[in-house]
Amino acid sequence: TQLLEQSPQFLSIQEGENLTVYCNSSSVFSSLQWYRQEPGEGPVLLVTVVTGGEVKKLKRLTFQFGDARKDSSLHITAAQPGDTGLYLCAGRYFGNEKLTFGTGTRLTIIP
Amino acid sequence: NAGVTQTPKFRILKIGQSMTLQCTQDMNHNYMYWYRQDPGMGLKLIYYSVGAGITDKGEVPNGYNVSRSTTEDFPLRLELAAPSQTSVYFCASSYPTGGTGNTIYFGEGSWLTVV
Repeated sequence: TQLLEQSPQFLSIQEGENLTVYCNSSSVFSSLQWYRQEPGEGPVLLVTVVTGGEVKKLKRLTFQFGDARKDSSLHITAAQPGDTGLYLCAGRYFGNEKLTFGTGTRLTIIP
Repeated sequence: NAGVTQTPKFRILKIGQSMTLQCTQDMNHNYMYWYRQDPGMGLKLIYYSVGAGITDKGEVPNGYNVSRSTTEDFPLRLELAAPSQTSVYFCASSYPTGGTGNTIYFGEGSWLTVV
């Protein structure tokens, strides 16, 4: 079974602080995606990274794909209450259309 | 735009009962998926389909069946409901673009409780 481990599992911080969540695997991905899921809804895609070492920015969110394509990180600057949610990474392995989801990081931003 | 539509939204089943979760998408996507999500956890793939008439098992297929007679519809069948199948079920679809970065669109989820 191919596993995607996310850390931390839970994170609760004050508004305005910075944070980083991680997504790790022992296997190499062809691509990796980050999703955010709010209560009562399905996950919504935030970003897709494809190239090793790639960095993408989405306003206050910065996504990085590891050089070896085995890991990824999501950094949030000056967190806002609207950032609260479950963050999921999901990876595709070469030659496989299936998307494997990580274990999730539940983020709570305290006003 | 409807996107991916799942029904029912909520259902309570007794142990041993059967039911079908319906899923339809209006985006002409080739790929469709069923995931389950246990409380506070990530999503686990139950079954997926790469096109009409083709289905394949995911990580946790036991206790479920699927069919894909049309591009639009991908129903998930529970034959003998068990408490372990209490979960939130998400249907999703995507259109492949070389297999590296296509977006998966999710339905709003179906909350199933087996008692």
